[in-house]
Amino acid sequence: EADIYQTPRYLVIGTGKKITLECSQTMGHDKMYWYQQDPGMELHLIHYSYGVNSTEKGDLSSESTVSRIRTEHFPLTLESARPSHTSQYLCASRSGSAYEQYFGPGTRLTVT
Amino acid sequence: GENVEQHPSTLSVQEGDSAVIKCTYSDSASNYFPWYKQELGKRPQLIIDIRSNVGEKKDQRIAVTLNKTAKHFSLHITETQPEDSAVYFCAASQLEGQNFVFGPGTRLSVLP
Repeated sequence: EADIYQTPRYLVIGTGKKITLECSQTMGHDKMYWYQQDPGMELHLIHYSYGVNSTEKGDLSSESTVSRIRTEHFPLTLESARPSHTSQYLCASRSGSAYEQYFGPGTRLTVT
Repeated sequence: GENVEQHPSTLSVQEGDSAVIKCTYSDSASNYFPWYKQELGKRPQLIIDIRSNVGEKKDQRIAVTLNKTAKHFSLHITETQPEDSAVYFCAASQLEGQNFVFGPGTRLSVLP
């Protein structure tokens, strides 16, 4: 089934650790996005990509980095996790020729 | 750039009553306006959208109206039910390529 997948769904990790949040989509979408969201609060765009080897920073300053080596895969990496990174991270994708944007189920990150 | 405002931030209605959420946007070039519903612990999901070439769109109990001159659009939910309780986000975008700009969200509570 065409969908967006995120792993892990929940992660508790200590300060200073390096983590990678995985996002994959099987919809063949060109555009992919990462949002940071505290539960029920605003959606903050932190990174986006319009295609392979294209990555841009979003509106919210973030200490994370992303890569887009394959169309379907858009991982987000935190080199050194801090308690201020505790949040939910939502991946999304959108076709270049259509309007709708679809969200993944999210990763709930807690940094202790 | 685009700026989207959303009101009210919280809304409580009695079951069976109607609910209206209003968004305003700043960029007259925006021409696609989706609405997302996010239930507690779930991902945002598209519930209805409207393009700038129409003034109103309806899908069962939900409808969206668009006033391009005033640069605002509204979500109308009739005969509200407890399962309508969620956070609702509006967004604005240009059809071709522009990222979505989301409003800050409205927390709707439908009281039994």
